[in-house]
Amino acid sequence: GAVVSQHPSRVICKSGTSVKIECRSLDFQATTMFWYRQFPKQSLMLMATSNEGSKATYEQGVEKDKFLINHASLTLSTLTVTSAHPEDSSFYICSAKPPGQYNSPLHFGNGTRLTVT
Amino acid sequence: TQLLEQSPQFLSIQEGENLTVYCNSSSVFSSLQWYRQEPGEGPVLLVTVVTGGEVKKLKRLTFQFGDARKDSSLHITAAQPGDTGLYLCAAALNNTDKLIFGTGTRLQVFP
Repeated sequence: GAVVSQHPSRVICKSGTSVKIECRSLDFQATTMFWYRQFPKQSLMLMATSNEGSKATYEQGVEKDKFLINHASLTLSTLTVTSAHPEDSSFYICSAKPPGQYNSPLHFGNGTRLTVT
Repeated sequence: TQLLEQSPQFLSIQEGENLTVYCNSSSVFSSLQWYRQEPGEGPVLLVTVVTGGEVKKLKRLTFQFGDARKDSSLHITAAQPGDTGLYLCAAALNNTDKLIFGTGTRLQVFP
């Protein structure tokens, strides 16, 4: 089955630094990937849609200059949290699905736990 | 305003009890999905319901899609400690692949 892999699974960084999270579709090509954020004891909130070869589209309230998304190839999207602050500490999850499969489910990565100290 | 509201928010029960989780919206969806998520992992798809009034069973889990395709329920019979987790309903917006999640129901089943 389709597999989505995230790396790293956990990262701790200091306030003010930037962190890059990778999302890879391992056995299919994904023109679109989605990035979610999940705070403790809460649900997943959609942050942005990553589009291969074009700019990402961000949900309302998500700062595009803070959360940089690059979808440089059909199997890789990256999310960079720039100038991270403790309030950015969260669980970040990506998802994707093979193109052309209408009504088929999204496949989710296992998430990245970001802790900003 | 959350598009998909789940209730209850938290549920703590003893092994063997039955429970129902609800997912409600004022919007109509072409399909709705239920996921289960364990701590530190991504959500895992349990079922997709497509037709209004549809009922799907997955072992001790029964899923129902409302007739008007605005709401859904998940019923667990004889809950087990292994059922513990965060249950999420989700639906795609406007025939896109953009999946929006419900507010979540955190279930704890004690042995």
